Amino acid sequence: ETGVTQTPRHLVMGMTNKKSLKCEQHLGHNAMYWYKQSAKKPLELMFVYSLEERVENNSVPSRFSPECPNSSHLFLHLHTLQPEDSALYLCASSPGRGLATDTQYFGPGTRLTVL
Amino acid sequence: AQSVAQPEDQVNVAEGNPLTVKCTYSVSGNPYLFWYVQYPNRGLQFLLKYITGDNLVKGSYGFEAEFNKSQTSFHLKKPSALVSDSALYFCAVRDKKDDKIIFGKGTRLHILP
Repeated sequence: ETGVTQTPRHLVMGMTNKKSLKCEQHLGHNAMYWYKQSAKKPLELMFVYSLEERVENNSVPSRFSPECPNSSHLFLHLHTLQPEDSALYLCASSPGRGLATDTQYFGPGTRLTVL
Repeated sequence: AQSVAQPEDQVNVAEGNPLTVKCTYSVSGNPYLFWYVQYPNRGLQFLLKYITGDNLVKGSYGFEAEFNKSQTSFHLKKPSALVSDSALYFCAVRDKKDDKIIFGKGTRLHILP
């Protein structure tokens, strides 16, 4: 266990549904991240939060909406997704403020399937 | 623009033999380099990183990596492979100037009994 939990572990949704992914870190870290992992593609950094403030948004479509209510919790709200959004969504945290030298600690991921 | 390349999709090694997983990078400034491992149905786990100092970095589970500035490489190595080392390995680079982290597409390592 890395101290980062994600729920649900698996999610199947239709293109018109609205759902949310949840991430919680029990490590007292200051930065949290969302990544998308698709088969045979590099890991894609989606969002970075440092001390609950969004510091990075890598041109992610607006159908993905992050929320960081406090330094321990991170959500990814999903609406009107496309089948190509099916992937493993990984959450991570790091002790610093998203610094370049930070080691990141990853959760187990949510396997999302969009029908 | 910075980039990282893992030229091999898959590497097969017999148990007990040395293993190498290759990584090359391109950055405009000084690189910060990382290796992560992903076991089936798990998230990524940190193995080691190079920030500054000694070019040979030692990490978890007996892995090490050597930073080679002239060849812009950061290959992951282990002297004697275990079957339990079978997993997906990711190299990542962060440019001190740009401060964005980029991951490679991963290399699947198979250790054959």
